[in-house]
Amino acid sequence: GAGVSQSPSNKVTEKGKDVELRCDPISGHTALYWYRQSLGQGLEFLIYFQGNSAPDKSGLPSDRFSAERTGGSVSTLTIQRTQQEDSAVYLCASSFDRGINYEQYFGPGTRLTVT
Amino acid sequence: AQTVTQSQPEMSVQEAETVTLSCTYDTSESDYYLFWYKQPPSRQMILVIRQEAYKQQNATENRFSVNFQKAAKSFSLKISDSQLGDAAMYFCAYKSGYALNFGKGTSLLVTP
Repeated sequence: GAGVSQSPSNKVTEKGKDVELRCDPISGHTALYWYRQSLGQGLEFLIYFQGNSAPDKSGLPSDRFSAERTGGSVSTLTIQRTQQEDSAVYLCASSFDRGINYEQYFGPGTRLTVT
Repeated sequence: AQTVTQSQPEMSVQEAETVTLSCTYDTSESDYYLFWYKQPPSRQMILVIRQEAYKQQNATENRFSVNFQKAAKSFSLKISDSQLGDAAMYFCAYKSGYALNFGKGTSLLVTP
């Protein structure tokens, strides 16, 4: 079946502009995660959605970052008033459930460049 | 908070040889999972191998195996018979809740 998809693949934006990044999880997966991978760094957890429960936003670096998940499926990560330090690869992952033993499947990521 | 440390930013191995990538972690939890992910230039994170902390037996997946030392909080990855396609970034990750905690990665170069 289809894996996790993300769009756009690459995004270049000017400092101060807003951007939206999209994630389509694997069908039937109830858990969805966003991670950020900055140059030379590992992946940093941003936000987590599980079904219709309130998301865990504990990893969001500032209030310029927000995310939503509509209908328990597609998710959008929005970054307002982008800064150069927001340049990174944003990876989305989904899993069948949130339990510790469920594998997370990753999408190909969106490379964001803020000029 | 849990931390994952990969002390080797870069490693190199010749084709057909064996290489070991190191990973240590810090946790006070008793129930957790450990993973090795591979990230080629395509950026797609691919699960290589996983280890449940309650299992004493080291996990093995074809040419990939781990050396899990729970008391030492060490989780190394051994790649046998290295192939050119193994060249990638390798990330060690820890999971006790729902989110993965990643190390900073090791870049593996495979030479002919």
